[in-house]
Amino acid sequence: QVQLQESGPRLVKPSQTLSLTCTVSGASISSGSYYWSWIRQAAGKGLEWIGRIHTSGSTIYNPSLNSRGSISVDTSKNQFSLRLTSVTASDTAMYFCVRGGTDYWFDPWGQGTLVTVSS
Amino acid sequence: VVLTQSPAALSLSPGARVTLSCRTSQSVDTYVAWYQQRPGQAPRLLMSDASNRAAGIPARFSGSGSGTDFTLTISSLDPEDFAVYYCQQRRRWPPTFGGGTKVEIK
Repeated sequence: QVQLQESGPRLVKPSQTLSLTCTVSGASISSGSYYWSWIRQAAGKGLEWIGRIHTSGSTIYNPSLNSRGSISVDTSKNQFSLRLTSVTASDTAMYFCVRGGTDYWFDPWGQGTLVTVSS
Repeated sequence: VVLTQSPAALSLSPGARVTLSCRTSQSVDTYVAWYQQRPGQAPRLLMSDASNRAAGIPARFSGSGSGTDFTLTISSLDPEDFAVYYCQQRRRWPPTFGGGTKVEIK
């Protein structure tokens, strides 16, 4: 059974870079035709897809991030990571790492990690 | 594509039948999924392509719709079904989600 777990700093200062890592267990991140995504949920708001990566290295991002996001993968550690630059208070959210197929259906999800942007 | 879910919340008793609505601002054919998020847990996929139940999802969950109007029906609410439900479309990039419907115990 595939499981995902997010990790990283819970507090980030405005204008700095948010960095999160997702560790995948129960299966190789390189197996199958899967894509690995980040999704966030601000308090009281809906879910927002951030972007995704394939282990081939191909990435694609939601234009709403204005080119601030980047996702990388480390197959040797079975991990993928998110970097979000120049953060503001509006980036405060619960961040989930998720597995998806070519079809953009998402399952399973990590438990999520709450990141607060504040000085 | 904007997804509008209704109602925002509802209170029901176990055993009740419930129908949740998701309306999209543009036609998305049948490319809609539904997710359940229980308190303190991550969302989980219930339904894809409007009406295909994901693995392990009980038969009391059913989905329907096409174009711009979609519904998720729970035939008889189980105590574990009290949660927030989200719809998502993938027909038009980027994938987008609705704001959710909270199903509470009455």
